[in-house]
Amino acid sequence: GQSLEQPSEVTAVEGAIVQINCTYQTSGFYGLSWYQQHDGGAPTFLSYNALDGLEETGRFSSFLSRSDSYGYLLLQELQMKDSASYFCAVNGANNLFFGTGTRLTVIP
Amino acid sequence: DVKVTQSSRYLVKRTGEKVFLECVQDMDHENMFWYRQDPGLGLRLIYFSYDVKMKEKGDIPEGYSVSREKKERFSLILESASTNQTSMYLCASSSSGADYEQYFGPGTRLTVT
Repeated sequence: GQSLEQPSEVTAVEGAIVQINCTYQTSGFYGLSWYQQHDGGAPTFLSYNALDGLEETGRFSSFLSRSDSYGYLLLQELQMKDSASYFCAVNGANNLFFGTGTRLTVIP
Repeated sequence: DVKVTQSSRYLVKRTGEKVFLECVQDMDHENMFWYRQDPGLGLRLIYFSYDVKMKEKGDIPEGYSVSREKKERFSLILESASTNQTSMYLCASSSSGADYEQYFGPGTRLTVT
């Protein structure tokens, strides 16, 4: 089977850095995706890691360690608009399998 | 910009009714997906399609069927709606070989009473 673990909630201060971890178990692994979803909105794609290492896109970075079955999303210079739910998703043998999401609350 | 549209934002149906949820994408994507999203459960894949007339079961296909007669359109059908199918339904599309980057529609919040 497949399983993904990520924290259910994280709170961080505006301007700070926050890391959202994701560990996975799956048969057949091609990569790890991250999505952002604001309340009432649709999930939007943030990043994808197929290889080990760090991928940077502006204030957001994503990391993957295939040997540890672990990845994280790093958000820098947090802004209030970053308050949202963040989902990691395994790209595996059975399409994209989503985690249950981490609700990030950014406080002033 | 990729645009994925869904026929209704909110829908209320009675138990036992047949329900059709429509999804249209305008980016000529080969792949289309239907998910349901429930609090604490994330997004769960119901059905997907990699080509016209083609469909594959996802993780939770029971009680649902799909239809893909045209490349841009993917329909989700609830044959006989039940209260446990009350949920947010999200359609998504992606280009061939890029399932990791899916584009989602705004969702349909279905309530079955």
